[in-house]
Amino acid sequence: GENVEQHPSTLSVQEGDSAVIKCTYSDSASNYFPWYKQELGKRPQLIIDIRSNVGEKKDQRIAVTLNKTAKHFSLHITETQPEDSAVYFCAAAETSYDKVIFGPGTSLSVIP
Amino acid sequence: DTGVSQDPRHKITKRGQNVTFRCDPISEHNRLYWYRQTLGQGPEFLTYFQNEAQLEKSRLLSDRFSAERPKGSFSTLEIQRTEQGDSAMYLCASSSGHPGDQPQHFGDGTRLSIL
Repeated sequence: GENVEQHPSTLSVQEGDSAVIKCTYSDSASNYFPWYKQELGKRPQLIIDIRSNVGEKKDQRIAVTLNKTAKHFSLHITETQPEDSAVYFCAAAETSYDKVIFGPGTSLSVIP
Repeated sequence: DTGVSQDPRHKITKRGQNVTFRCDPISEHNRLYWYRQTLGQGPEFLTYFQNEAQLEKSRLLSDRFSAERPKGSFSTLEIQRTEQGDSAMYLCASSSGHPGDQPQHFGDGTRLSIL
């Protein structure tokens, strides 16, 4: 079955700096890669997703890249703000409506 | 549209008791998913439904767990003879099941604590 790995497990950056989280997946059948943000005690919320027919997607300060050949995908957050502090999960699935396999999470702290 | 709702938000019970959780998906979403999340980990897939049909169950799901979605709307997850290791957050999500930009939307979860 699918296995998603994620690095680093914790990340601390100064406000205004960039943050990068990297993930790998194992199942070549995966074509949908969502990223979820989870604040303490709250539900996971989708922040961006990418499908295998594109290599990069950007939404304001957030960008994701996908290398399907290498089975790598990454999240880039620019100009970080304290409210970006949360746990971020990468995930993989065959489609957006199949079961989603999550990575172990990255705890991001943005220091004012 | 009030989003995915789950009930109860918290459940504390003694080991060996049975518990049942309820999930109400976003209206007209025909896919409904159950995940389990333990502290410091990502959500783990348990099972999912398309309408009333249960399409897949994780091998993690022991025989003590059963899920239903009898009318294709709300779903229940029952755990029989609870064990300490069942303590976790149980998350429900739903999606429209159509191709395209249709991500899964999560509820706030039910936190289960086994004494």
